[in-house]
Amino acid sequence: DTAVSQTPKYLVTQMGNDKSIKCEQNLGHDTMYWYKQDSKKFLKIMFSYNNKELIINETVPNRFSPKSPDKAHLNLHINSLELGDSAVYFCASSQDQRRPNSPLHFGNGTRLTVT
Amino acid sequence: QKEVEQDPGPLSVPEGAIVSLNCTYSNSAFQYFMWYRQYSRKGPELLMYTYSSGNKEDGRFTAQVDKSSKYISLFIRDSQPSDSATYLCAMSAALGYGNKLVFGAGTILRVKS
Repeated sequence: DTAVSQTPKYLVTQMGNDKSIKCEQNLGHDTMYWYKQDSKKFLKIMFSYNNKELIINETVPNRFSPKSPDKAHLNLHINSLELGDSAVYFCASSQDQRRPNSPLHFGNGTRLTVT
Repeated sequence: QKEVEQDPGPLSVPEGAIVSLNCTYSNSAFQYFMWYRQYSRKGPELLMYTYSSGNKEDGRFTAQVDKSSKYISLFIRDSQPSDSATYLCAMSAALGYGNKLVFGAGTILRVKS
């Protein structure tokens, strides 16, 4: 039973298009995240939501817009895609960021390729 | 200079070897240290967690933190082919909403049978 699921798994699209990635977690966690992993495997946080409220918003282009309809879902919409957006995007969730041993649970990633 | 530096490898070892993976960091405020393991085409999963300085052991894995040197290590004893993965160190200064986990770039480990 998948804990954090992302769709689609692969996304190939052309520059200038708009696309969305969906994420759902069935762990009952309050906090959800979007991370970007570039070609060098460097994993960097983009956004964090707690109970549908935006908590972390890193210096990400405003072409990226997260949306959390409820605490089990966090979607990522990207407008006007650019070549540099090609990466693997990971959704993650955690139970309680205030607890020291509260791990991040990651989905298996969405591989975005912009041509 | 990145906040967290990690040698990307790849590191190739024979089965049964002791593996040492390391990260250095520049932010002295970091106190929570984690190691995540990432298999190919999968998301990272938490392997070990330590708070402040010291050692922590879990089976074949030992995590060490030396805050004075801003250096953390993960040791794997009796390495197995199933340990082949990318190992990412991660750290944060504090807990609570809004506190970010900063990841290293990951070290690719290959254990040959």
